[in-house]
Amino acid sequence: DVKVTQSSRYLVKRTGEKVFLECVQDMDHENMFWYRQDPGLGLRLIYFSYDVKMKEKGDIPEGYSVSREKKERFSLILESASTNQTSMYLCASSSPVLGGYTFGSGTRLTVV
Amino acid sequence: QKEVEQNSGPLSVPEGAIASLNCTYSDRGSQSFFWYRQYSGKSPELIMSIYSNGDKEDGRFTAQLNKASQYVSLLIRDSQPSDSATYLCAVYAGGTSYGKLTFGQGTILTVHP
Repeated sequence: DVKVTQSSRYLVKRTGEKVFLECVQDMDHENMFWYRQDPGLGLRLIYFSYDVKMKEKGDIPEGYSVSREKKERFSLILESASTNQTSMYLCASSSPVLGGYTFGSGTRLTVV
Repeated sequence: QKEVEQNSGPLSVPEGAIASLNCTYSDRGSQSFFWYRQYSGKSPELIMSIYSNGDKEDGRFTAQLNKASQYVSLLIRDSQPSDSATYLCAVYAGGTSYGKLTFGQGTILTVHP
């Protein structure tokens, strides 16, 4: 089974801090994604990557950046955390052949 | 804007009943269709995928796809309280979409004893 591992289950950070969320997958998938999920707003795509060093903005990229230096690892960076970035962050990976994601367990980030 | 819409819910059914979850999508060229289950505070997990018209059964779950009507549904037979969760419909357009799925807003299902 594909495994997608997010480094932290819960994080508490202070306003203005630089925050790194890490995601690692073990099935050699080309595509990786970062979403945030908030009550009533559903899943919103922040960024995705379809190859090493390749990235595309999603629907809500403002205040975020990403890094994909190795195929298995996709990092989400909050350049200067703000309270409105308090959310559940979900990483996913997929094969391009038939689509379908495998999600990580999520990181619940609280910015205080 | 490619859209996926689900019946708004919340949906409440008694234990042992059939729960019916519905989803429509706007992109006629969509290729693959998925149902995810998400328990409160957890991440979504894939429970069904369907790629061609018709029915696909897996245990108590049946996914139905009608591409002409741009409609996909999930039936849960003999519903159990453990089925209480949010169900997300997701659609893959294929082509150059880099594997990106479009999700519906989700339907909250409650199965009461």
